[in-house]
Amino acid sequence: DTGVSQDPRHKITKRGQNVTFRCDPISEHNRLYWYRQTLGQGPEFLTYFQNEAQLEKSRLLSDRFSAERPKGSFSTLEIQRTEQGDSAMYLCASSSWGGDKITVEEKLFFGSGTQLSVL
Amino acid sequence: AQTVTQSQPEMSVQEAETVTLSCTYDTSESDYYLFWYKQPPSRQMILVIRQEAYKQQNATENRFSVNFQKAAKSFSLKISDSQLGDAAMYFCAYRSPVTGANSKLTFGKGITLSVRP
Repeated sequence: DTGVSQDPRHKITKRGQNVTFRCDPISEHNRLYWYRQTLGQGPEFLTYFQNEAQLEKSRLLSDRFSAERPKGSFSTLEIQRTEQGDSAMYLCASSSWGGDKITVEEKLFFGSGTQLSVL
Repeated sequence: AQTVTQSQPEMSVQEAETVTLSCTYDTSESDYYLFWYKQPPSRQMILVIRQEAYKQQNATENRFSVNFQKAAKSFSLKISDSQLGDAAMYFCAYRSPVTGANSKLTFGKGITLSVRP
């Protein structure tokens, strides 16, 4: 399977603990996005990478959140000192962006997400 | 900032019948892209259909079609000949033109579609 994979699928943690999620994009994709989806809501943009560079971060991404994409391949999202409000599904998506031109053909491929529950 | 509104939380349709899911959006941009995504219980978001705002012709993908009303900022999805596998959450999404900036999506809250056999 060459789709976007996320690990773990589920994570239960106690408030105050640190957690880390991993996303493996489709191998030739240069862009990688993180979204957060809470119950009854649509996904909300958190951050995105183009290759290894983190180019934009949402205001939703507090100082307790950090994302990396070393070598422009897989990405990790870490949440420090988790709070109950962090409980959500964290979705990763990847795409292949062809350069500085307007295109609608940049299709996002989503993973199945990591469901985080903070007790 | 752009906003996407899906005011119907749930809808139900009889198998083989047609159903329309509503979506409205707000933007000051003249060019943009609109999408409908499907999220089944497996949680993976799947692109159903997309529409470029500069195109007057409504997009169609097999049993799925849209009614894009740019002046009214309305973007509804019609599913014809509904199948049991169409049961899922459906999200309407907006994206600004990609000109070197990121192509992040702004999603609505979604609508749960159930299909009755």
